[in-house]
Amino acid sequence: DTEVTQTPKHLVMGMTNKKSLKCEQHMGHRAMYWYKQKAKKPPELMFVYSYEKLSINESVPSRFSPECPNSSLLNLHLHALQPEDSALYLCASSLQAGQGNSPLHFGNGTRLTVT
Amino acid sequence: SQKIEQNSEALNIQEGKTATLTCNYTNYSPAYLQWYRQDPGRGPVFLLLIRENEKEKRKERLKVTFDTTLKQSLFHITASQPADSATYLCALGDHGGATNKLIFGTGTLLAVQP
Repeated sequence: DTEVTQTPKHLVMGMTNKKSLKCEQHMGHRAMYWYKQKAKKPPELMFVYSYEKLSINESVPSRFSPECPNSSLLNLHLHALQPEDSALYLCASSLQAGQGNSPLHFGNGTRLTVT
Repeated sequence: SQKIEQNSEALNIQEGKTATLTCNYTNYSPAYLQWYRQDPGRGPVFLLLIRENEKEKRKERLKVTFDTTLKQSLFHITASQPADSATYLCALGDHGGATNKLIFGTGTLLAVQP
């Protein structure tokens, strides 16, 4: 088990649905991240929150909307997704926002399938 | 553009041997390099971090080297075991700050045969 908890583990949604992915950590980390990973590819950064403020948005389409209600929680709201958005969505946290010198702690992801 | 490449898509070795994985980068001057292990259907797990001014780092059976002149890191697993079979990812980061990013390499699938 990891110290970063993601729910749900699996999600199937239609292109007109609205759903949310949730992530929680209680390690006192002040930076939280969303990554997208396609099969046999490395994780790709989507968003970074530092001290509950959005600090990086990697030109992600607006159908993905992140939210950081507090320092322990991170949500990713999904709306009008496309089948090519099907992937493993990984949440991660780190002690500091400077990623290079701060190891990332990943959750086990949400496997999303868009039909 | 920045590129991080790891050796071959898959590496097959015999149990007990040393596995050596390569991470090469171009158009990048990282201050830190990290290695992660990822098992199928799970998130990456942090293994080791090495700084630009460090040549080598060890942790149990793991050893990482970092050569900023060659723009290369080598990751060694000694006395490999079938349980070491997984995908290994290198990741490069800058000096820190809220706008700096950790970029992952393409990954190497290691298979240790009993």
